[in-house]
Amino acid sequence: GAVVSQHPSRVICKSGTSVKIECRSLDFQATTMFWYRQFPKQSLMLMATSNEGSKATYEQGVEKDKFLINHASLTLSTLTVTSAHPEDSSFYICSARPAGSGDGYTFGSGTRLTVV
Amino acid sequence: AQSVTQLGSHVSVSEGALVLLRCNYSSSVPPYLFWYVQYPNQGLQLLLKYTTGATLVKGINGFEAEFKKSETSFHLTKPSAHMSDAAEYFCAVSDRAGGTSYGKLTFGQGTILTVHP
Repeated sequence: GAVVSQHPSRVICKSGTSVKIECRSLDFQATTMFWYRQFPKQSLMLMATSNEGSKATYEQGVEKDKFLINHASLTLSTLTVTSAHPEDSSFYICSARPAGSGDGYTFGSGTRLTVV
Repeated sequence: AQSVTQLGSHVSVSEGALVLLRCNYSSSVPPYLFWYVQYPNQGLQLLLKYTTGATLVKGINGFEAEFKKSETSFHLTKPSAHMSDAAEYFCAVSDRAGGTSYGKLTFGQGTILTVHP
């Protein structure tokens, strides 16, 4: 079945630094990938839709200059949290949808970001 | 606009008992509906989905859900709970990007299922 690999699974960074999270579709091409954020004991909130070869579409209230998304190939999307602050600490999950997949979306295993 | 409401943030059952996790949705168009399970610090795994056709949908691990349009519900059930079912469960609705293409997912708040021995 379709597999989405997300890396790293955990990262701790200092306040003010930037962190890059990768999302790869391993056995299919994904023209569209989605980035979600999940706070403790809360649901997943869609942050942005990543489109291969074009600009990402951000949800209302999400700072596009803070959360940089790049989808330069059909198998890789990256989310960079710039100038991270403790309030950016969260669980970030990506998903992708294989073309013609009857199962819809496949999710990565998530990245736990802690900003200290 | 679409939304999902999961009734009960926590559900506790005994091993072997019926599991019932409630989900109601709101959608301006015929929806696609999903149930996902999430284990701690992991991504989401699809349990089952409804797109069209049969309203009773069977998924993995013995779970099933019934789409009831008149009640705008998509409750998840399992006849007999197992300890390994303990996890968080999310109901989600998708708009339709066109034809059979899936649009963006909107998730419910999640329900934590606890299974007691």
